[in-house]
Amino acid sequence: SAVISQKPSRDICQRGTSLTIQCQVDSQVTMMFWYRQQPGQSLTLIATANQGSEATYESGFVIDKFPISRPNLTFSTLTVSNMSPEDSSIYLCSVGRTGENIQYFGAGTRLSVL
Amino acid sequence: DAKTTQPTSMDCAEGRAANLPCNHSTISGNEYVYWYRQIHSQGPQYIIHGLKNNETNEMASLIITEDRKSSTLILPHATLRDTAVYYCIVGYSSASKIIFGSGTRLSIRP
Repeated sequence: SAVISQKPSRDICQRGTSLTIQCQVDSQVTMMFWYRQQPGQSLTLIATANQGSEATYESGFVIDKFPISRPNLTFSTLTVSNMSPEDSSIYLCSVGRTGENIQYFGAGTRLSVL
Repeated sequence: DAKTTQPTSMDCAEGRAANLPCNHSTISGNEYVYWYRQIHSQGPQYIIHGLKNNETNEMASLIITEDRKSSTLILPHATLRDTAVYYCIVGYSSASKIIFGSGTRLSIRP
């Protein structure tokens, strides 16, 4: 198993500012992912956080808006830059290990942009 | 786009079996069927997965048709705590990225 800690759990931010969300895992993992869940919607994959290299972004998401770091096998950050009210969502981190068929999710960060 | 089709919502009486269907007609030979659920205000939780054979664990059973084009998740004795959105997903490995569909919102009535 893997225990994931996401910080902050929630925040209220002003438009035009940036917020960095942290994802800490209690053990080394191969894969780390970031998702967005807009109100009442399903989860949408933002990017795969690659250890030691640039993240791989899904269509519709760009590095300038959602820069991601992954300095080691247990930690990653997602920054939501130059925020607007449309960025109000839940942001979730998930992790997986090669050879295992279970992906573990954090509880999410609930972001409101005013 | 998600490769699965699920009913938008279902309901079930407490104590009865909840049967959640999923169509995945374009599944490839090496892809697994995974089920996750998301209880309100929590992150998704893994339930079960299978390749060809039916599978059972302490949470649920997974029935996969012989042609693998559809499957059913069975919660044998549903409780109020099983109220959640259930996602059926196909993929090669959980270490790979997951593309979520819309899921089925399951409501358990007392």
